[in-house]
Formats: sequence, structure tokens, C-alpha cells
Amino acid sequence: NAGVTQTPKFQVLKTGQSMTLQCAQDMNHEYMSWYRQDPGMGLRLIHYSVGAGITDQGEVPNGYNVSRSTTEDFPLRLLSAAPSQTSVYFCASTLGGGTETQYFGPGTRLLVL
Amino acid sequence: DAKTTQPNSMESNEEEPVHLPCNHSTISGTDYIHWYRQLPSQGPEYVIHGLTSNVNNRMASLAIAEDRKSSTLILHRATLRDAAVYYCILRNNTNAGKSTFGDGTTLTVKP
Repeated sequence: NAGVTQTPKFQVLKTGQSMTLQCAQDMNHEYMSWYRQDPGMGLRLIHYSVGAGITDQGEVPNGYNVSRSTTEDFPLRLLSAAPSQTSVYFCASTLGGGTETQYFGPGTRLLVL
Repeated sequence: DAKTTQPNSMESNEEEPVHLPCNHSTISGTDYIHWYRQLPSQGPEYVIHGLTSNVNNRMASLAIAEDRKSSTLILHRATLRDAAVYYCILRNNTNAGKSTFGDGTTLTVKP
């Protein structure tokens, strides 16, 4: 299993540009999530999904959109990038349930100029 | 959802035991206590979890208070590779996909 994969590893955007961060998992997990981590801070939940076709907002959803058309993929779209969105973005997946492990991808470093 | 409280930072000497505390005074009966750690420039990784009884695995031990309002992650012999941010989170069957992480405890291991 490749686990949770994220692309790209690093991206530089100009203010106002849009882009999509890709996330895929091959573990047949129902639950997927996007987090952002600012320097020296913990992870904050952006959006999450409990299955294909079902998404919901987390703690900091503004400026981001998600969709879940398949179990495997959970892309995160930045609609109009702002310098405040400079961060490291992590995607995670889990089977769900209180005992299940949450698996994280390697992260995407985003710099918005 | 119940929240957890952890110290911002802790220090340890190499090859000595480390006890990382976590308070979760509003924990519910269905919440499992999970610990994750994040090595520099990596995503978080699972360490251990438990419900009521103490748990051991190859990475660490988890000691859970009898009233479940606090827990302690124990690294029996800290190594330099254990330097990381350690997160204590609560997870149940309804919040599995939307776990929130606080700022965690930054563990520094001194040689």
C-alpha cells in the first residue's frame, strides 16, 4: 500500500491564483480530512469527509473548497490564494471509529506571495 | 467535543524515561485516548491509544487515570529520534474523521 499520498510536495502561488492540492489513499478508508499547520502551531482542521459524496466544514474552512467523488480521492481547492494561506497542508484518512488509526500524508508546503 | 490540555514543552535527557501528561477532564465514556507524534518536517504518526486500561506497545506505554480525566504517555528510554511534537486527542465513533489537534507538547531530548 502507498498509504496517503499528496501532490505537489511544494508550490508557490501569487495572490489571487487558484490551485488544487491532491490527496489520495489506497486503504479503502471512508473518512478523509484536510489540515493546515502554520509555523510553530498545531494542526487545524479545514474540511473533512465521512464518505464519497459527503463533506463538511472543520475549524478553518474559509477560502477552501473540497469534493469527494470517489472513496480514494479528496482534493482541496484554493479559490483565490492569499498570503494568509501560506502553510503546510496535511491530508489524512481513517477507517473511522474510536479505535482506528488516522494516517497522514507527507504534506504540501504552500507559499503564497 | 471534549478537549485536551498538554504542556507546551518538555525536556528530557537521552536514555532517561519521559512522562508526557495530558488532561481531559470532560472526557466521555465513549472517548478513546489517542497519542500521535510529529517528527520534524513530517506528518503526524500514530503512537498508541487506550480506553480505560494501561496499554503498552513497542513505541511507548499509556497510563490512564482511574477516573479517565488524565493520561500519561511514557517513553521508557528517550532517544534523540524521539524529539517531536506529541499530541493527545480524544476519538469516538462519531468524530473519527474530524479529530482536532491542539498545539501538543514539544519534546526536546538532550544528549
